[in-house]
Amino acid sequence: DAKTTQPPSMDCAEGRAANLPCNHSTISGNEYVYWYRQIHSQGPQYIIHGLKNNETNEMASLIITEDRKSSTLILPHATLRDTAVYYCIVRGSQGNLIFGKGTKLSVKP
Amino acid sequence: DSGVTQTPKHLITATGQRVTLRCSPRSGDLSVYWYQQSLDQGLQFLIQYYNGEERAKGNILERFSAQQFPDLHSELNLSSLELGDSALYFCASSGTGRTEAFFGQGTRLTVV
Repeated sequence: DAKTTQPPSMDCAEGRAANLPCNHSTISGNEYVYWYRQIHSQGPQYIIHGLKNNETNEMASLIITEDRKSSTLILPHATLRDTAVYYCIVRGSQGNLIFGKGTKLSVKP
Repeated sequence: DSGVTQTPKHLITATGQRVTLRCSPRSGDLSVYWYQQSLDQGLQFLIQYYNGEERAKGNILERFSAQQFPDLHSELNLSSLELGDSALYFCASSGTGRTEAFFGQGTRLTVV
């Protein structure tokens, strides 16, 4: 199963862009990269996903490198409510989402 | 609101007991996934059902079982409960033609 590697924690100033990196060097050619976040003990919230091209939606942008070995989630204007654990995920061989430890993002005033 | 509904939100029970957690997926979603999250731990995949059939199995204990009914709702049964089973249990669903999954708000199980 493909694995992902993320920094355990990051800080970001409120109003600034938060750039969260993820390495997925063993990802296969047809595997999507998904990003979720979990605020406190709430259910994980879907943010965005992508295959090859960069993607943008109302929540965030996803930049995937050309070799697909890494990606960056960008929250363009972070707010205090964006403080959460962010998970970069690929599906396992059985199709399930495999969660790692994620990155704890702290947005500070 | 993800559209995935889990009940109950909280459950407190004694060791040795059996409980049932319920999940109603998003309308039209055929796949249901169950995850366990213990205190300060990541989400561990338990099991997946697709249109009533078991599709994938993760680190699910033999004391745990699940099923998906014809109306597509799913139930996770936990028996002979131990203190270590105290955790958040999340259900997620996904649909045909859509690869992302949406999670419910979870059931917090406390075994005393």
